Amino acid sequence: KAGVTQTPRYLIKTRGQQVTLSCSPISGHRSVSWYQQTPGQGLQFLFEYFSETQRNKGNFPGRFSGRQFSNSRSEMNVSTLELGDSALYLCASSFSRGARTDTQYFGPGTRLTVL
Amino acid sequence: KQEVTQIPAALSVPEGENLVLNCSFTDSAIYNLQWFRQDPGKGLTSLLLIQSSQREQTSGRLNASLDKSSGRSTLYIAASQPGDSATYLCAVQETSGSRLTFGEGTQLTVNP
Repeated sequence: KAGVTQTPRYLIKTRGQQVTLSCSPISGHRSVSWYQQTPGQGLQFLFEYFSETQRNKGNFPGRFSGRQFSNSRSEMNVSTLELGDSALYLCASSFSRGARTDTQYFGPGTRLTVL
Repeated sequence: KQEVTQIPAALSVPEGENLVLNCSFTDSAIYNLQWFRQDPGKGLTSLLLIQSSQREQTSGRLNASLDKSSGRSTLYIAASQPGDSATYLCAVQETSGSRLTFGEGTQLTVNP
């Protein structure tokens, strides 16, 4: 079974631009979550999608948004990029919506650098 | 607000040593606790998941325990190998839904 895939793996943007990151979950998984990882803040939850609906949202500004498609693939978008948005963005998929037995499987991440 | 703390932040041991990584959380109302491994610049690899009703889980040389009432979990690694060098993260899931709250991680170095 193929794992979680994320594209692109690396991205360089300048301040003020916008960016779209993509995540394809493991086949059959319906829940996709996004996390931001930085050296200073560690791993922080961005949002969770299940059946094309955002179910949970972390404490990030409205510049961060996402969506999920009918095939469970998800995209996240960051508008008006700031230097502080430079981070590793990780997506995770799981079979259901956070059952007690649900292991979350993470992708390799997208490394975003904002200049 | 749930807070997860991992001690120590970094650990360096010689090959073959048994070691324990610690994780504590402030709110004991959790669904499960998961241990992950992260290699530099890479994503997270799931190691073990312990449901809130369980006391421990084992996978090969790894054993994770959970004491929900005291808000603690430990990851025991037996006979460490240089390939075990990585950052180990623990994360708790508090409610239904897939949101995880992570600790800062323990950076482990196993020296040959």
